[in-house]
Amino acid sequence: GQQVMQIPQYQHVQEGEDFTTYCNSSTTLSNIQWYKQRPGGHPVFLIQLVKSGEVKKQKRLTFQFGEAKKNSSLHITATQTTDVGTYFCAGDTSNSGYALNFGKGTSLLVTP
Amino acid sequence: DGGITQSPKYLFRKEGQNVTLSCEQNLNHDAMYWYRQDPGQGLRLIYYSQIVNDFQKGDIAEGYSVSREKKESFPLTVTSAQKNPTAFYLCASKDGLKLFFGSGTQLSVL
Repeated sequence: GQQVMQIPQYQHVQEGEDFTTYCNSSTTLSNIQWYKQRPGGHPVFLIQLVKSGEVKKQKRLTFQFGEAKKNSSLHITATQTTDVGTYFCAGDTSNSGYALNFGKGTSLLVTP
Repeated sequence: DGGITQSPKYLFRKEGQNVTLSCEQNLNHDAMYWYRQDPGQGLRLIYYSQIVNDFQKGDIAEGYSVSREKKESFPLTVTSAQKNPTAFYLCASKDGLKLFFGSGTQLSVL
């Protein structure tokens, strides 16, 4: 079945450093979504990418969808302690989105 | 205040016992989902329902059961057949392609 692989599993950075997490799918995705889960919290939707090669920005966060629609990345510029949490990508092979396949997530720790 | 409400926040199960996790939404969403989260793991799909009175098994449905008698409610029962039930359970509903999650239930075995 479809698998979404996400790396790295953990990342520890100093505040102000950049951070990137990567997702790769074994099959072509119709869209990919990113979620953030704060410690002790629940996943919260960040963004959705649909088009091949799409790039979207949210303040310090930059999201990319690969040309082949099989990979994606989330890059955070100049991390802050508020960025702490686990970032999940979730891939969908159909536009119905009835069942997203989540990556295992990247846990980000930011120390001041 | 609209959203998804899961209860209880913490739940303990004894050996051989069935327990039911509640999930209620007032977002008027048709589709609802149950995911299981284990430490260091992603979210694994247990069951989903796209419409009232209909539901499908996800990747790890064994040992679980659900019902969808009302649009607003999608309870999950963890049966005694689930031998490793300790996990964080997340309920979600879908708007378009976006999932909205409840705050989760932590289930532990006594």
